[in-house]
Amino acid sequence: DVKVTQSSRYLVKRTGEKVFLECVQDMDHENMFWYRQDPGLGLRLIYFSYDVKMKEKGDIPEGYSVSREKKERFSLILESASTNQTSMYLCASSLYGDRDNEKLFFGSGTQLSVL
Amino acid sequence: AQSVTQLGSHVSVSEGALVLLRCNYSSSVPPYLFWYVQYPNQGLQLLLKYTSAATLVKGINGFEAEFKKSETSFHLTKPSAHMSDAAEYFCAGGYQKVTFGIGTKLQVIP
Repeated sequence: DVKVTQSSRYLVKRTGEKVFLECVQDMDHENMFWYRQDPGLGLRLIYFSYDVKMKEKGDIPEGYSVSREKKERFSLILESASTNQTSMYLCASSLYGDRDNEKLFFGSGTQLSVL
Repeated sequence: AQSVTQLGSHVSVSEGALVLLRCNYSSSVPPYLFWYVQYPNQGLQLLLKYTSAATLVKGINGFEAEFKKSETSFHLTKPSAHMSDAAEYFCAGGYQKVTFGIGTKLQVIP
């Protein structure tokens, strides 16, 4: 069974802390994505990556950075967590260049609370 | 950049009634359009997708969507709602970089 695994289901951090959210996929997908999901706002793309060490900004990259050192792992970093970053964070992956089978596989999400 | 707009953040239907969830897209290039579903306390999963092979797309659990270029729409329908259809539905669009609508929560009333 294909899997996208996010390291934590729930996370509580304090304002100003550096936060790492980890995501691992076992499908050998080139593309990986980080979204945040907020009520009334849907899913908003933070960053995505088409390959190892490559990254592109999504629609709301401010306050976030990412790291992709290995193909299977995509990390989201909050350099200095703030209360407005309290949200559900979703990682996803997909196969590069496969137009007919374009499909995102999602992890279960990490609910981050910043106090 | 392609964007999608979902009309109605909450929709309520009676069990057995028609389900209609609306989505409009904006793009100048042939679109890639999707509907994803999120059941309570579960991750998002693909319901169906349009990739230009056919304008009427059938998905899982009896859902289907029709691509209408003249109306720039990709509405999701199901002839008869079931209690198990209660979930949040997201319209999405784009190739590789996929953007999502705000979501529509479907409530099914017994």
